[in-house]
Amino acid sequence: DQQVKQNSPSLSVQEGRISILNCDYTNSMFDYFLWYKKYPAEGPTFLISISSIKDKNEDGRFTVFLNKSAKHLSLHIVPSQPGDSAVYFCAAKSETSGSRLTFGEGTQLTVNP
Amino acid sequence: ETGVTQTPRHLVMGMTNKKSLKCEQHLGHNAMYWYKQSAKKPLELMFVYNFKEQTENNSVPSRFSPECPNSSHLFLHLHTLQPEDSALYLCASSQDRFAGGETQYFGPGTRLLVL
Repeated sequence: DQQVKQNSPSLSVQEGRISILNCDYTNSMFDYFLWYKKYPAEGPTFLISISSIKDKNEDGRFTVFLNKSAKHLSLHIVPSQPGDSAVYFCAAKSETSGSRLTFGEGTQLTVNP
Repeated sequence: ETGVTQTPRHLVMGMTNKKSLKCEQHLGHNAMYWYKQSAKKPLELMFVYNFKEQTENNSVPSRFSPECPNSSHLFLHLHTLQPEDSALYLCASSQDRFAGGETQYFGPGTRLLVL
């Protein structure tokens, strides 16, 4: 049973446009959500997070939106840059799970110049 | 550079071999993790150590044996692996297993191929 799902394995956008990466979850106990970015031959690096008490968190070009009723979150990148091309992982945790993260499968983002 | 290093970066081993993966973190963290990432699958948590004590074993087969001699080092000892164990093995660390809302920092991973 996969509790965190990223249904789009890949996404291609033009430089300067908006990239929207989506993530759905099934476990209503999740109360903290994170996005990680992974380049080839490197480990995932933390990008941005959001607590379930918020519905939006913004950090520069990156904004994460959380819709708790739909159990859906999204990552917006505006404007997209070629250096943003990477695999993006959505992850979730609950207070009772400590630091245990449940990851989605990842979405490969390609930003074309 | 995340402050978490892993060696070796690539490893090819036969099913009868014994090898070890090493992870070291320079962040002063107290929790360390082993993850497995198979092709087209999400990262799967294998083991969690907090203050050198194993706090989680996510039903991992005994052919994988972790060791945490101190808060900065984590090993994964491998023996009699199967070809389906071929994957990317990632180490991560965080300040504390029980601190809520904090993030994990990942190493670059070891790409393992079992022949």
